[in-house]
Amino acid sequence: RKEVEQDPGPFNVPEGATVAFNCTYSNSASQSFFWYRQDCRKEPKLLMSVYSSGNEDGRFTAQLNRASQYISLLIRDSKLSDSATYLCVVNYNTGFQKLVFGTGTRLLVSP
Amino acid sequence: GAVVSQHPSWVICKSGTSVKIECRSLDFQATTMFWYRQFPKQSLMLMATSNEGSKATYEQGVEKDKFLINHASLTLSTLTVTSAHPEDSSFYICSARRGTENTEAFFGQGTRLTVV
Repeated sequence: RKEVEQDPGPFNVPEGATVAFNCTYSNSASQSFFWYRQDCRKEPKLLMSVYSSGNEDGRFTAQLNRASQYISLLIRDSKLSDSATYLCVVNYNTGFQKLVFGTGTRLLVSP
Repeated sequence: GAVVSQHPSWVICKSGTSVKIECRSLDFQATTMFWYRQFPKQSLMLMATSNEGSKATYEQGVEKDKFLINHASLTLSTLTVTSAHPEDSSFYICSARRGTENTEAFFGQGTRLTVV
C-alpha cells in the first residue's frame, strides 16, 4: 500500500462548482498533514495545514479523519484560477521526520 | 511564508559530468531539508532527507553514491548528481522546514536538469 494515496483525476468542473478531494494515508502514527498546490512546472506552495478539528480558509475547507486515516479538501465556488494539482502531504516519523507527498489530484475549472 | 532559494533554476550538462544544486533557506534556519525529484506528469518523489550536521537518509532505490547530499549548515544543503546520464534528466526540488516536527515545508523554485 502506498504511504499516501490520492485520485489523480483530472476533475473537470465548471466555474462556481464545489469539488472535494480525498487522500488516504497508511501510517496511523502520522501527526501532521497539509494540502499543497502545484501549478504546472512550478514548485508546490502550501495551501493549508490540516488540523484535527478541521479548518477553513475562505473557500477552502480541510478535514482530518484519523479513524479512517484520510484527509479531505473541499473547494467551494471554484474559480478558473483554482486549476492546478493539489498535493496531499503527510508527515511521518520513522525515526526521523519526513514529508511524503501523494501523487496529486489535478483540477481543471472551466468557464 | 519563509523563503527557500534554489540554484540554478535550470541546467544542461553533458553525459558523464556532475552537477551541483544548491538549496538555501534565506530567512530561517532549516534543521531538515528534503530533496525531491519529479518526472513529467508524475508526483514528487522523495529522494532523501537531510539533517544539518549528519548524513542524509536516502529513500529506497535512491543511490547515495550518485546523488550526494551535503547539509553543512542550517541554511544550506547541496545535491550533487554525479556522472549524470540522460535518464537523470528531471525536475529536482528542495524543501526546508523550520522546526523538526509538524511544521510545513517551504519549497525552492526547483531545478530543471537536462542531460544530453
